[in-house]
Amino acid sequence: KQEVTQIPAALSVPEGENLVLNCSFTDSAIYNLQWFRQDPGKGLTSLLLIQSSQREQTSGRLNASLDKSSGRSTLYIAASQPGDSATYLCAAEPGGGADGLTFGKGTHLIIQP
Amino acid sequence: AAGVIQSPRHLIKEKRETATLKCYPIPRHDTVYWYQQGPGQDPQFLISFYEKMQSDKGSIPDRFSAQQFSDYHSELNMSSLELGDSALYFCASSLGSGGLAGTGELFFGEGSRLTVL
Repeated sequence: KQEVTQIPAALSVPEGENLVLNCSFTDSAIYNLQWFRQDPGKGLTSLLLIQSSQREQTSGRLNASLDKSSGRSTLYIAASQPGDSATYLCAAEPGGGADGLTFGKGTHLIIQP
Repeated sequence: AAGVIQSPRHLIKEKRETATLKCYPIPRHDTVYWYQQGPGQDPQFLISFYEKMQSDKGSIPDRFSAQQFSDYHSELNMSSLELGDSALYFCASSLGSGGLAGTGELFFGEGSRLTVL
């Protein structure tokens, strides 16, 4: 059974810093890996999707990498802003025709003004 | 751009009552997923539909059922509600399912918050 772990569970940094959020998964037979942002009591906003054949994706100040062999993904946020404060979740989609993302428990990020 | 629409946004029910949640996927998306997120928990996959047929099943209780209609909207029916069913219920949609066409990128709705008293 796939298990997804996110480190750290919480992070508080001053505005302007570059930061890295880590995600690891136990079963490397994934179809893709997706990073989401969730604001308190709100839905999940898709940030980046990395297909299993890809190694990284970039969108603005965000860059996500994927290393399937080691079961790791990282989300890099450059020049952090207070508006980046949210919970960041990574989720692995299984291969083999199955559905159902397996989510990590998230990293609660606070960017201090 | 149109997003995933869920209704109702908030719902309060008594124990043993029934509830129905509705989900309208992004236009042209053929796959719908339901997730349950308890307080302080990560979302848990319940069930999915591809082209109006059940595609995969996760941790959905037997008291719950769901279906996808001809217009691709989906409904999650919950019966004999228990206190532990109180949660945020998310619907997501994608183009393609489990590697079958599309990128598999999921787009989530804002969720329906169910409170069982």
